[in-house]
Amino acid sequence: DIQMTQSPSSLSASVGDRVTITCRASQSISSHLNWYQQKPGTAPKLLIYAASTLQSGVPSRFSGSGSGTDFTLTISGLQPEDFATYFCQQSSSTPRTFGQGTKLDI
Amino acid sequence: QVQLQESGPGLVKTSETLSLTCSVSGTSIINYYWNWIRQSPGKGLEWIGYIDYRGTTNYNPSLKSRLIISVDTSKMQFSLELSSVTAADTAVYYCARAKGYYDRNGYWVEKLGPLDYWGQGALVTVSS
Repeated sequence: DIQMTQSPSSLSASVGDRVTITCRASQSISSHLNWYQQKPGTAPKLLIYAASTLQSGVPSRFSGSGSGTDFTLTISGLQPEDFATYFCQQSSSTPRTFGQGTKLDI
Repeated sequence: QVQLQESGPGLVKTSETLSLTCSVSGTSIINYYWNWIRQSPGKGLEWIGYIDYRGTTNYNPSLKSRLIISVDTSKMQFSLELSSVTAADTAVYYCARAKGYYDRNGYWVEKLGPLDYWGQGALVTVSS
């Protein structure tokens, strides 16, 4: 299985800040990397797929980059509704695997 | 709008079979791959497997020996059966749709496309 490692595990920030979350794959996954946001008690929500493509309806302050083994999710200008947990997930091969999550709080 | 809804017992006894159904609306069940994912505090998000409208499946090897995923296109539903459950199978179970897209090289990716619609989740507790 491909292991996905996110860093940091938790992150404190303020409204208006720019934050970056990183995700590393245990082997090359090309650009087959997706990012999800999850708020307590709700299902994950797709933010970015194929490493850098913004899902329809997702604000442009979210962006993704990377290829191979190293990827980043950047949120530019944090909004109150962005405080949540973020997961990366590889879709290069089965079984799909997820990172352990990064909790972003105030 | 696209909606997915999990249903099934919230409590299952140890060694018995966990059964869940996902009802799909607002979208065709053809042309997509339909997934089960679970989430527990101890193991995070774990992909269980997927099925397409023809019944083609792919299972997580860690669960394969205990797992059956099936589809009923006439009812717009797909289902999960996990046998011989233990406390380690206690989790919130989600169903989700995988959408297709063209990757950077122009290839169509669908089986492992991103999970763009999810159900609200069903908590299943395994206990004796």
